[in-house]
Amino acid sequence: ETGVTQSPTHLIKTRGQQVTLRCSSQSGHNTVSWYQQALGQGPQFIFQYYREEENGRGNFPPRFSGLQFPNYSSELNVNALELDDSALYLCASSLDVKAYEQYFGPGTRLTVT
Amino acid sequence: KQEVTQIPAALSVPEGENLVLNCSFTDSAIYNLQWFRQDPGKGLTSLLLIQSSQREQTSGRLNASLDKSSGRSTLYIAASQPGDSATYLCAPNASGGSYIPTFGRGTSLIVHP
Repeated sequence: ETGVTQSPTHLIKTRGQQVTLRCSSQSGHNTVSWYQQALGQGPQFIFQYYREEENGRGNFPPRFSGLQFPNYSSELNVNALELDDSALYLCASSLDVKAYEQYFGPGTRLTVT
Repeated sequence: KQEVTQIPAALSVPEGENLVLNCSFTDSAIYNLQWFRQDPGKGLTSLLLIQSSQREQTSGRLNASLDKSSGRSTLYIAASQPGDSATYLCAPNASGGSYIPTFGRGTSLIVHP
């Protein structure tokens, strides 16, 4: 059984550009959540997808968007990148939307210059 | 809005000490609370999950307690080891149908040999 994987590991983008981050859920998991973790901070909830539908959203602007595919893998898209978007982006999957154990991937480190 | 505070922010101790990490949260209407470990630049690893009806959970040298009414949780680490060096994050989950935790900033722990 493979765990949660994320790609790419590191990414450097320029302010104003767009970025897509990818996440493969743990096998059998239908729920995926995305978090942003700035340096020295705890993870902040961005949004959650359950069976391809958005199931909750944190306090992030609309330029943060997501998708979940039929195989339950997921993408996080960020448009019009700002310097403050530099952070570790974490993906976590769970067996079901009401399952309380989330399994985290290693994260994607995004640097915006 | 749930606010989570973790004290101390950082801790540096010699190997073998018993440790106490504190977490407080403002909204006591939680469904459960989870403690995570995070190694530098990495994803999160779940350590213990306590349901709101429970008072404590134990796993090896780790013991987590929960006082829901006062909005507090404590993580005890017995006989600390250098391998315990990491950041420890507390994350209460509000009542509801989904698992969307709120994270504190964490306690950064260094255990010296």
